Amino acid sequence: EADIYQTPRYLVIGTGKKITLECSQTMGHDKMYWYQQDPGMELHLIHYSYGVNSTEKGDLSSESTVSRIRTEHFPLTLESARPSHTSQYLCASSEFKQQGVIEQFFGPGTRLTVL
Amino acid sequence: QKEVEQNSGPLSVPEGAIASLNCTYSDRGSQSFFWYRQYSGKSPELIMFIYSNGDKEDGRFTAQLNKASQYVSLLIRDSQPSDSATYLCARWIGGYSTLTFGKGTMLLVSP
Repeated sequence: EADIYQTPRYLVIGTGKKITLECSQTMGHDKMYWYQQDPGMELHLIHYSYGVNSTEKGDLSSESTVSRIRTEHFPLTLESARPSHTSQYLCASSEFKQQGVIEQFFGPGTRLTVL
Repeated sequence: QKEVEQNSGPLSVPEGAIASLNCTYSDRGSQSFFWYRQYSGKSPELIMFIYSNGDKEDGRFTAQLNKASQYVSLLIRDSQPSDSATYLCARWIGGYSTLTFGKGTMLLVSP
């Protein structure tokens, strides 16, 4: 069972507010990811990290930013929330298991609504 | 052409039947493949992975990989209504690459 946590699970906030979505994992995984997913739609990778002080942008352009100053912690920040940011945000982490195999686990997600 | 293609469905099967979910990919360098199950409103859950040609069985689930034809499938035997979910196929090309997910296939199992 994956030990990856996200807080808050649900957030309703007004336009213009700064928000930080928390993600932490206790598995010691170096690789962590943030995905965005609208209801019934596909996953979009928005940020990832291969370790401390490493962050990369994903396939989908996002106005959010991330940081990785501790292995277990990968927070996502929106400086000024807008209604277009309303979505579900999923954090994940992964590790190599053996040659040719990587195991990636997802957290429970944060459902963000911006009014 | 998307790198990982799945029929969006829904695929409807009666309870007790075999559900067959298919996925094709375009990158011959793909090393391994993953099936995730995602219930509505929940996060994806890893079901199984496969990286060698052939079949891999885990309980009621069987993953099949055919690298020559560039497809991977998931068979669910004795389908149950609780299997109703969206099934995501993902591929990994190795190294420091990230998983590439398909759009998912919705499976509906009727009692």
